[in-house]
Formats: sequence, structure tokens, C-alpha cells
Amino acid sequence: KNQVEQSPQSLIILEGKNCTLQCNYTVSPFSNLRWYKQDTGRGPVSLTIMTFSENTKSNGRYTATLDADTKQSSLHITASQLSDSASYICVASGGSYIPTFGRGTSLIVHP
Amino acid sequence: EPEVTQTPSHQVTQMGQEVILRCVPISNHLYFYWYRQILGQKVEFLVSFYNNEISEKSEIFDDQFSVERPDGSNFTLKIRSTKLEDSAMYFCASSKRWADTDTQYFGPGTRLTVL
Repeated sequence: KNQVEQSPQSLIILEGKNCTLQCNYTVSPFSNLRWYKQDTGRGPVSLTIMTFSENTKSNGRYTATLDADTKQSSLHITASQLSDSASYICVASGGSYIPTFGRGTSLIVHP
Repeated sequence: EPEVTQTPSHQVTQMGQEVILRCVPISNHLYFYWYRQILGQKVEFLVSFYNNEISEKSEIFDDQFSVERPDGSNFTLKIRSTKLEDSAMYFCASSKRWADTDTQYFGPGTRLTVL
């Protein structure tokens, strides 16, 4: 069964600090991996999309990495801001587009 | 900037009633999707739609669900006979190209409460 596991479940950091969120997936066949940011009560917003052949993708202060061999991805947030407080969701997709979502990491940035 | 819109923002219905959730995708997008998120749980894929046909659907999308693009702008999700467990936030999304390679844009969601 396809699964996506994210860690940590929640994270609290101080404004200006960096953090890294982890994602492990067991999706086969594997096609692409996405990271989304979801504010409470809102729809997810796409941060990065990586195909199986890509190792890293950046979007401003967000940098995602992908290791398709170990089936791991990470999302690094640099110089965190208060507005980064949200849930960060990892999503893995296979040959047909039936995506598997992780439960998300809840990030709280304190001033 | 163009965005996906959804109506209503909140729908309350009695168990066994039919509901229609409405979405207006971004105008030049060709692929449309529905997802749901039960409170406190992860987002789940329901269905994808292209060229007036369902492209993919998950196990959740059973016979009580249907989708339609009744005109050039709206994309709807119908639940024929609602159950308590259908209570969730329903998100519509759209993309210009096939989801496998393209960014999806999500709407703000419709919160469905089944009593």
C-alpha cells in the first residue's frame, strides 16, 4: 500500500531560524514528489514539484531535496518568518495520478 | 492573479440528502480535481477530470459521488445521499497540464457538515 510518512509531526522554531522537514514515501511506481503549504482552513499551496530524476528544487526560501533511491525527501526553510507558520504536506505520486498525501508537519514560528 | 473559487464556503445538510459542491477553476486550465480533508486528517484524492471524462478516481469515489462540468466555467461534485462520514472540507483544484508534471491550484474549500 502506498504511504507517505512525515516527521516531525510538529515543530516550533524562533523567527529567523532555519528548519528541515522530512518525508519518507513508499509509492511504486514513483513519478513525482510535491511539497505544499497549507494554512489553517485554507487550500494547499504548491511549493515545489520534483520528478524522480531531480535532486533539488528551490522556491525562494524553500528548498526541497529528493533521494529516489532511499525514497526520502526533505524541505528546508531558511530564515523563517512568522508567516511560515502552517502545515507542510508531502505528496508522492506514481504512474497514474492518484497522489498519496502525508499527514503534514505543523510548523509554528515564534517571534 | 487568477484563482480557483468554490461555493458555498460552508454547507450543512441532513443525512441522506443530496448536495452539490461548486467550483470555478482557473479559466485556461484543462484538468480538474476534487479532494477531501476530514477534520484533523490528511488530504485525500477523490477524482481527476479532463475533456469531460473522469481520468482517475480513488477508492473513496464510489457510486454516490459524481462530477460534472455543466458549462464552460463550473466544475461540480455531487454527493447523492450524504452520510455522516462525508463531513469534511472539500477542495477543488485545477491545472493547465496533466497533474503529473504541473502545478495544481487549490480553491479555498467547502466545509460540508452532515447532521
